[in-house]
Amino acid sequence: SQTIHQWPATLVQPVGSPLSLECTVEGTSNPNLYWYRQAAGRGLQLLFYSVGIGQISSEVPQNLSASRPQDRQFILSSKKLLLSDSGFYLCAWSYGRGYTFGSGTRLTVV
Amino acid sequence: RKEVEQDPGPFNVPEGATVAFNCTYSNSASQSFFWYRQDCRKEPKLLMSVYSSGNEDGRFTAQLNRASQYISLLIRDSKLSDSATYLCVVSGGGADGLTFGKGTHLIIQP
Repeated sequence: SQTIHQWPATLVQPVGSPLSLECTVEGTSNPNLYWYRQAAGRGLQLLFYSVGIGQISSEVPQNLSASRPQDRQFILSSKKLLLSDSGFYLCAWSYGRGYTFGSGTRLTVV
Repeated sequence: RKEVEQDPGPFNVPEGATVAFNCTYSNSASQSFFWYRQDCRKEPKLLMSVYSSGNEDGRFTAQLNRASQYISLLIRDSKLSDSATYLCVVSGGGADGLTFGKGTHLIIQP
């Protein structure tokens, strides 16, 4: 069966520090992968999506970047975090009509 | 701009009652429609897809009105465990991800 792993579950980082969040999927090949962010009191916002290795599409300009070094690995990064980067980050993959989310990373920038 | 609008609630409903949510979407080219459930501080999980003909899954019924661009979710015989945030979700059918409403918060009271 297909599973999606995301870590860490929680993270507290100082302003200006770098960020790396990793997401991996198992049990499928060539998945479409997504990074979403949910800020407090707001809906989920699509940040990046990838349809294959090295292919990244960005939905909104921001302080973040994404990479897909392997078929089932999707990484979200920042060189210098801002306070406004705080939120709940969710990785997801699509399987046709549906999407499955990882358990999320709750990032607090202090 | 793609948007999905929902009443944020909260809806306070006694156990055993029937409750209904609606949401509207702005992109008439949308292809796929879903209801997701999100528990506090957890990732969203697919509750049900929404089909043009309407569909039912146990106590849950979803309907789609393409002409008016709205989607509904009906929960019958509500349980305490139904307390959650219900997200209305729309997809254009391509690889560019889902558009989420901000969710409707449901509280089932004993």
